[in-house]
Amino acid sequence: KQEVTQIPAALSVPEGENLVLNCSFTDSAIYNLQWFRQDPGKGLTSLLLIQSSQREQTSGRLNASLDKSSGRSTLYIAASQPGDSATYLCAPSERDDKIIFGKGTRLHILP
Amino acid sequence: DAGVTQSPTHLIKTRGQHVTLRCSPISGHKSVSWYQQVLGQGPQFIFQYYEKEERGRGNFPDRFSARQFPNYSSELNVNALLLGDSALYLCASSFERKIYEQYFGPGTRLTVT
Repeated sequence: KQEVTQIPAALSVPEGENLVLNCSFTDSAIYNLQWFRQDPGKGLTSLLLIQSSQREQTSGRLNASLDKSSGRSTLYIAASQPGDSATYLCAPSERDDKIIFGKGTRLHILP
Repeated sequence: DAGVTQSPTHLIKTRGQHVTLRCSPISGHKSVSWYQQVLGQGPQFIFQYYEKEERGRGNFPDRFSARQFPNYSSELNVNALLLGDSALYLCASSFERKIYEQYFGPGTRLTVT
């Protein structure tokens, strides 16, 4: 059974800092992995999708890496801004129709 | 274009009652999935419907059921509500079955007292 762990559970950093969010998963036989953002009480927004054959994906100030063999992914946020404050969820997919979410990292960027 | 819409936004029910939550997918999307997100946890998969048929089911009791209509909208029904059913219920739609190409709605916050 796939288990997804995200560390840290919560993080507060001053505006402008670069930061890294970590995700680990127990079953390396994944199809792909997504990082989502969730604002309080809201739905999820997909940030980045990394295919199992890829090592990383970039979108603006966000960069996600994937090490499938070790069961790890990281989300790097450059030059953090207060608007980045949200919960970030890691979600590997095992097949077309199965996705498992971690509990998320609650990020607070201090102005 | 409108995104995924869900109704109602908030709902308060009493233990033992039943509830129906509704979801309208993005126009042209044929797949709808339902998730339960308890406070402080990640979303947990409940159901996926594609072309009006159930294509996947998570580890939830039979009190949970769903259906998809000819216009691809969907309903999630929960019977005999328990306090533990209190959660944010998320709906997501995708054009095909690929669960990693989903767009999420804003959710319905269900509180069971």
